[in-house]
Amino acid sequence: AQSVAQPEDQVNVAEGNPLTVKCTYSVSGNPYLFWYVQYPNRGLQFLLKYITGDNLVKGSYGFEAEFNKSQTSFHLKKPSALVSDSALYFCAVRDIEGDYKLSFGAGTTVTVRA
Amino acid sequence: ETGVTQTPRHLVMGMTNKKSLKCEQHLGHNAMYWYKQSAKKPLELMFVYSLEERVENNSVPSRFSPECPNSSHLFLHLHTLQPEDSALYLCASSQDERRGGLDTQYFGPGTRLTVL
Repeated sequence: AQSVAQPEDQVNVAEGNPLTVKCTYSVSGNPYLFWYVQYPNRGLQFLLKYITGDNLVKGSYGFEAEFNKSQTSFHLKKPSALVSDSALYFCAVRDIEGDYKLSFGAGTTVTVRA
Repeated sequence: ETGVTQTPRHLVMGMTNKKSLKCEQHLGHNAMYWYKQSAKKPLELMFVYSLEERVENNSVPSRFSPECPNSSHLFLHLHTLQPEDSALYLCASSQDERRGGLDTQYFGPGTRLTVL
């Protein structure tokens, strides 16, 4: 079985401040981990993923995420948030040895205030 | 978002209507997915097609009927829906990793369905 938890429904930050969106996961084997972003009335846009290798993954729009195996976490970060980063963020996991099924978290709404 | 397109973007239907949602991917992928997104809930995987074969039917009611005529097109046929079926229906595509390649799923913009 595999699952994802996003412990925060909402994250509010001021523009220019660091942004962190938390994600923890559970898989039987080794994980593929993904972050997606969804803007209002739009589909999910792929931000970044971790498969193997460097624990720090860099993605689109200045986002990065750090894979921490001991804490089973994959938190999304951005050093300096923009108002345009306000959106709904989803973390997803897949077991490498498993099938194609992605398990998604419930999402975290990020609001960046000017 | 031009990689995966969905039509219509919005649909309002009565419980006795029959309608279809269409998805088209322009990414050369060989796997396609239907998801249901309801407010405050994780995405629910409904159907998966790989190489035009249905490989997943995630306990979805029979009032939803998928069709995949080729690797670029995916339909979701709807009939006698219930108000609780109102949601955003998302299509996605990926390269089936059993044939090698990336397995990142790319999503369309969704169809906002309202059942009256």
